[in-house]
Amino acid sequence: DTGVSQDPRHKITKRGQNVTFRCDPISEHNRLYWYRQTLGQGPEFLTYFQNEAQLEKSRLLSDRFSAERPKGSFSTLEIQRTEQGDSAMYLCASSPTALDGEKLFFGSGTQLSVL
Amino acid sequence: GEDVEQSLFLSVREGDSSVINCTYTDSSSTYLYWYKQEPGAGLQLLTYIFSNMDMKQDQRLTVLLNKKDKHLSLRIADTQTGDSAIYFCAENWDMRFGAGTRLTVKP
Repeated sequence: DTGVSQDPRHKITKRGQNVTFRCDPISEHNRLYWYRQTLGQGPEFLTYFQNEAQLEKSRLLSDRFSAERPKGSFSTLEIQRTEQGDSAMYLCASSPTALDGEKLFFGSGTQLSVL
Repeated sequence: GEDVEQSLFLSVREGDSSVINCTYTDSSSTYLYWYKQEPGAGLQLLTYIFSNMDMKQDQRLTVLLNKKDKHLSLRIADTQTGDSAIYFCAENWDMRFGAGTRLTVKP
């Protein structure tokens, strides 16, 4: 078990460019979450997958954001036409199906800087 | 809307107990969680409590839950320098997080 893996660790882009991040969850976990964290704040929920189905999206996820999990394994988060306000740490987490609460395992995140 | 609230900073001496407090928002939350974040690392689940419990102990960690006041606390006994980190409380399946409490442990 190598844990939740995110790629890249850091991304610097210019305003208006598109970026894509990848998350590889722990292999037997069927739930996958994306969060955004800005400096001095806690993570903010963006979206959630149960296997390949995207079951919930936050109102924070504008139409410039899209997430996929095509085969129920890895997931991608794409931001189109990036804005400076998109600069943040993007965290991915996975969890197994559990009867006693959601136990999220987080990756180390992708730090996005939009210049 | 309401936010999960935590005090931002706590400083203790090594060997003392630390108490980190949190006020959550949703009285129907089934589980409440404490996560730890060390510099440059992802969040790590420390412990959690089911809403029908008022206390849970796990080694040096004690979680207290007051449902009436929607208040959650995390007590760390015999705090060590390695406990220095940011501690987040979270509620609900979608994990609404507080802003985090930065714990500094002085030798």
